Amino acid sequence: QKEVEQDPGPLSVPEGAIVSLNCTYSNSAFQYFMWYRQYSRKGPELLMYTYSSGNKEDGRFTAQVDKSSKYISLFIRDSQPSDSATYLCAMTQYSSASKIIFGSGTRLSIRP
Amino acid sequence: NAGVTQTPKFRVLKTGQSMTLLCAQDMNHEYMYWYRQDPGMGLRLIHYSVGEGTTAKGEVPDGYNVSRLKKQNFLLGLESAAPSQTSVYFCASSYSNTGAGYFGPGTRLTVT
Repeated sequence: QKEVEQDPGPLSVPEGAIVSLNCTYSNSAFQYFMWYRQYSRKGPELLMYTYSSGNKEDGRFTAQVDKSSKYISLFIRDSQPSDSATYLCAMTQYSSASKIIFGSGTRLSIRP
Repeated sequence: NAGVTQTPKFRVLKTGQSMTLLCAQDMNHEYMYWYRQDPGMGLRLIHYSVGEGTTAKGEVPDGYNVSRLKKQNFLLGLESAAPSQTSVYFCASSYSNTGAGYFGPGTRLTVT
């Protein structure tokens, strides 16, 4: 069993919809959680970084962590075609980047 | 400000050949990382460096070597390429150790 599980998709939604992307994990010691966006044939870019439980909002993006359920989510409001990309979750129990575990990514397509 | 750049963008090798991938960053970051990305596997850390002249092993270091002679450059070497090393290789850098914040565009390597 992988430490971090992520549905590969693809997920296709109409423009303007609210998108929910999710990851589950098995290591209860994880306490730093990240979301990356990766456009086709490009490197990942860091979208959101959260510590421990709770919500964090940045513009149209909200990251949510539920440590009791070992479940994290990324919500995208008012989705745009430019949001079409693969979204990677990542997490670690340490503050060290050398211990980050990445999910395999969910491919998202926003239909105009 | 170019960010993180990688050379080359594409390469095809025959089994047993060697090559070096070059990563350069112009953000004066201390931390640099080499990842590989394979379908369904997510990003996996190969080697990393916490400063000029230092290197350390990541999750999948076998078959690779690295060097960080200058702060802005991080080299990844394959001494004797194998088909299992066919992958997309990403370099990343960060100013702190809390997350691999900035990724390069990637190098697509095929070993036949």
